[in-house]
Order: sequence, then C-alpha cells, then structure tokens
Amino acid sequence: GENVEQHPSTLSVQEGDSAVIKCTYSDSASNYFPWYKQELGKRPQLIIDIRSNVGEKKDQRIAVTLNKTAKHFSLHITETQPEDSAVYFCAAITGANNLFFGTGTRLTVIP
Amino acid sequence: DADVTQTPRNRITKTGKRIMLECSQTKGHDRMYWYRQDPGLGLRLIYYSFDVKDINKGEISDGYSVSRQAQAKFSLSLESAIPNQTALYFCATSDLSGRETQYFGPGTRLLVL
Repeated sequence: GENVEQHPSTLSVQEGDSAVIKCTYSDSASNYFPWYKQELGKRPQLIIDIRSNVGEKKDQRIAVTLNKTAKHFSLHITETQPEDSAVYFCAAITGANNLFFGTGTRLTVIP
Repeated sequence: DADVTQTPRNRITKTGKRIMLECSQTKGHDRMYWYRQDPGLGLRLIYYSFDVKDINKGEISDGYSVSRQAQAKFSLSLESAIPNQTALYFCATSDLSGRETQYFGPGTRLLVL
C-alpha cells in the first residue's frame, strides 16, 4: 500500500516568517494530495489540496507544490500568524480511493 | 462541521467490554470511513464503506467491526476492548466526485482501562 512520510514532526517559527512542511509518497499511482489542519482538540479540516496534473496551487498565504517525478509534495505557509499554530497532516489517495496520512507536523508560531 | 456527528464524544470502558461508536451524517455522502488517531502516528484507516452494501477493511481492522445501517449511519464496534485501543476515533465522509475531500466528525475519545 501507500506510504506517506512527513517532515518535520515539529516546527517552530517566528510570527511573520514562512513555514514549509514536506511529504513523500511511495505509490506512483497516487493522484490527489490534500493537506489537513487540526487545531488542538478539534477535527482535521482540509485547507488545500492538489491533483497530480498540477504542479502548484495557492490560496492566499498557503501554497502546495507537487513533484511527481520525485514523489514529494510540500505545504508552504507565508507570513505566519499565531492562529496558524496547529498540527498539519499531508495525505495521498491511492487508486482504491483511500487516504493515507502522514504522521503530522506540529507547527508553533511564536508571537 | 455539524454535518458529521459522532456519539459518544468521550467514553471510558474496561478491558473485555463491548463498545459501539456511532457516526451520522447529513451531507448525503455515500462514502464513510473510520480512523483512529494516536500521538505520533497520524490518522490510520480502520474500515471504510463506499455504499450501504459495501464494507472494506482498512490498514488496521483487527479487533474492530463495522456496520453500515443506512447511507447516513456507520458504526464502529470493539467486540472486546483492550487498552491499546485507547485512542481518538474519527468518522469521515466523502462523496463520489473525483475531489475525494473527506469531512471529519468531531471525534470520540476512548479510554480502555
């Protein structure tokens, strides 16, 4: 099955700086890569996603890049704010349409 | 997202007890999923169902069973709970479109003593 690895497991940045979280996947047939944000005590919520026919997607301060050849994708958050502090999960969908999640990155934005 | 609800929200039980976690959705989605979340391990798929007559095992189905009572309801059972099943359990739904966005319930925190 699919194996999704996520790094780093924890990340601290100063408010206003950028944060980058990286994921790799193993199944070349995976074609959909969502990112979820989970605030403390809450459910995961989709923040951005990308399909395999696109190399980059942006939504305000958040962007995701995908390198199909290298089988890795990254989440970029610019101008970080304290409310960006959360656990972020990457995921990949296999041909069976099941999501495989990375192990999560705890992002802390220091005011 | 109030469209996906889970009951109970918190539960403490003892080893060997049978317990059922319930999930209901009003999103009209056909696909439903059960995940467990453990610290440092992310979200792992237990079972999933693509429609009422379809049940499939996920990555970690041992010790669990499910029932899809209706399009809107998907229950997870622990027939004989054990302490290493202590975790946060999430139900999720998605529709049949190609987008595959999954919408999560609020979670059930289960403690097995």
